[in-house]
Amino acid sequence: GENVEQHPSTLSVQEGDSAVIKCTYSDSASNYFPWYKQELGKRPQLIIDIRSNVGEKKDQRIAVTLNKTAKHFSLHITETQPEDSAVYFCAASKPGNQFYFGTGTSLTVIP
Amino acid sequence: NAGVTQTPKFQVLKTGQSMTLQCAQDMNHEYMSWYRQDPGMGLRLIHYSVGAGITDQGEVPNGYNVSRSTTEDFPLRLLSAAPSQTSVYFCASSRGHTLAGEQYFGPGTRLTVT
Repeated sequence: GENVEQHPSTLSVQEGDSAVIKCTYSDSASNYFPWYKQELGKRPQLIIDIRSNVGEKKDQRIAVTLNKTAKHFSLHITETQPEDSAVYFCAASKPGNQFYFGTGTSLTVIP
Repeated sequence: NAGVTQTPKFQVLKTGQSMTLQCAQDMNHEYMSWYRQDPGMGLRLIHYSVGAGITDQGEVPNGYNVSRSTTEDFPLRLLSAAPSQTSVYFCASSRGHTLAGEQYFGPGTRLTVT
């Protein structure tokens, strides 16, 4: 099956700085890569996703990049704010829709 | 739309007891799945379904059963609870299964097995 690795497990940044979280995957058939944000005690919620036919996608302060050759994808958050503090999960999926999640990154934005 | 709902929110079981976690969605989604979330281990897929009458195993299926008799409902059954099944359980659904898309998660069930 698929193996998704996520780094770092914890990340602290100053408010206004950028944060980058990286994930690698093992199955070249994976073609959909979502990122979820989970606040304490809440459910995971999708913040951005990318498909394998696209190299980069942006949504305001959030961007995701995908390198299919190297089998890695990254989440970039610019101009971080305290409300960005949460746990972020990457995932990989292929046709048939089985999702494999990374182990999560706990992001703390220091005011 | 209520989205994805789960009951109960909290549950305490004794070792060996059985119970069913309920999950329902009102978005007419084909795909439904169950995950468990443990500290430091992310979300691990237990079972999933690509439509009514069809279920399949995920990464960690042992000790759990599922059925999908309707599009809306996807209950998860613990046959004989063990302390290793203490976890937070999330149900999720998405529109299709041939093209992966956004999964909508339920609020979760926090299960403790003593």
